[in-house]
Amino acid sequence: NAGVMQNPRHLVRRRGQEARLRCSPMKGHSHVYWYRQLPEEGLKFMVYLQKENIIDESGMPKERFSAEFPKEGPSILRIQQVVRGDSAAYFCASSPSSGLYNEQFFGPGTRLTVL
Amino acid sequence: TQLLEQSPQFLSIQEGENLTVYCNSSSVFSSLQWYRQEPGEGPVLLVTVVTGGEVKKLKRLTFQFGDARKDSSLHITAAQPGDTGLYLCAGGGNTPLVFGKGTRLSVIA
Repeated sequence: NAGVMQNPRHLVRRRGQEARLRCSPMKGHSHVYWYRQLPEEGLKFMVYLQKENIIDESGMPKERFSAEFPKEGPSILRIQQVVRGDSAAYFCASSPSSGLYNEQFFGPGTRLTVL
Repeated sequence: TQLLEQSPQFLSIQEGENLTVYCNSSSVFSSLQWYRQEPGEGPVLLVTVVTGGEVKKLKRLTFQFGDARKDSSLHITAAQPGDTGLYLCAGGGNTPLVFGKGTRLSVIA
């Protein structure tokens, strides 16, 4: 039973380019969460999605960042016109439901480096 | 804003020693989760505690949820080098998970 999959594992972009990060949740999971982690920091919530719906994007920067979770295919976190401050590890997590205990299972992350 | 404070930030101990790390908040959480994260990998869920005063054991790891569901502790008995990693606590409820900054544990053989 495959876990949460993320690709690419490492991504290098120059300032001004676009970054696309992909996340395939665990089989049977319909809830996806994106987090960002800076060195020596905890994980910061960005966005929570269900299939075709954004449930909570309160942690998402207002500009340049967007996320989707289409009916078919992986969830995508898109960062337009990247800047050096976007360099971080981006983690995706999935859960089978948004129930009270909210257990989430994480992917291995995508490490974005902006040159 | 809900915050989780973890202490200590860094801990370096010898193999075989015992240790306790803490996760504290002024907010009440419906559940609290502990994760371990190794370099270059995503966090791995260790345990979820949901009832005030609850104690859960996972081999040499003992997790406790405070009576008021505002704090938690993780105790490791006879630490081993394989326990090395970043230990994160996360508070759950109706809002997205709130993570502490973690305790970075290094167990030296």
